[in-house]
Amino acid sequence: GAVVSQHPSRVICKSGTSVKIECRSLDFQATTMFWYRQFPKQSLMLMATSNEGSKATYEQGVEKDKFLINHASLTLSTLTVTSAHPEDSSFYICSARGGGETEAFFGQGTRLTVV
Amino acid sequence: GQNIDQPTEMTATEGAIVQINCTYQTSGFNGLFWYQQHAGEAPTFLSYNVLDGLEEKGRFSSFLSRSKGYSYLLLKELQMKDSASYLCAGMDSNYQLIWGAGTKLIIKP
Repeated sequence: GAVVSQHPSRVICKSGTSVKIECRSLDFQATTMFWYRQFPKQSLMLMATSNEGSKATYEQGVEKDKFLINHASLTLSTLTVTSAHPEDSSFYICSARGGGETEAFFGQGTRLTVV
Repeated sequence: GQNIDQPTEMTATEGAIVQINCTYQTSGFNGLFWYQQHAGEAPTFLSYNVLDGLEEKGRFSSFLSRSKGYSYLLLKELQMKDSASYLCAGMDSNYQLIWGAGTKLIIKP
């Protein structure tokens, strides 16, 4: 299958700082990228969907000013958690899908801990 | 509304067979996915069904009945490394995935 690289895999940051997570499709053009968060023992929760070159579509209850998503190219999307708080600590996972495809491929995930 | 139901946890014995069921309700339907997720890792793709019937892939098989809104994942010759969560996800008419909460599978020797 196609490869999606997510970086960093783990990050610890201080409360009030911002953290950027990158998601790259290495061998295909990702027209659509999805950002999820997952709390322990819970399923994936879709945060937002982004299409290359346009603004992300956020799910209800997700603050767009707090979780900034940029999808400026067909191979890169970034999620920036701004002014992070301990309750933002979670597992963040991206997935990417090529145009006309149904299957999306997952990045490795980022474990964010806010202290 | 859209909903995916699957059991929370199942236990099986090494070498045995286990079937994980999933029922779905989606707005439109563009297929049913099964993913495996080990603790602390991202999900990995197992199978995709969009037509009725059984798809076999090695030790894993997946079945779909669109009329019943039902799917199952069948794991044969269970190995300890199969201990993981198994996520069922339905794709709706907008090609968005609706995720189940996952079934934690515990394999005992």
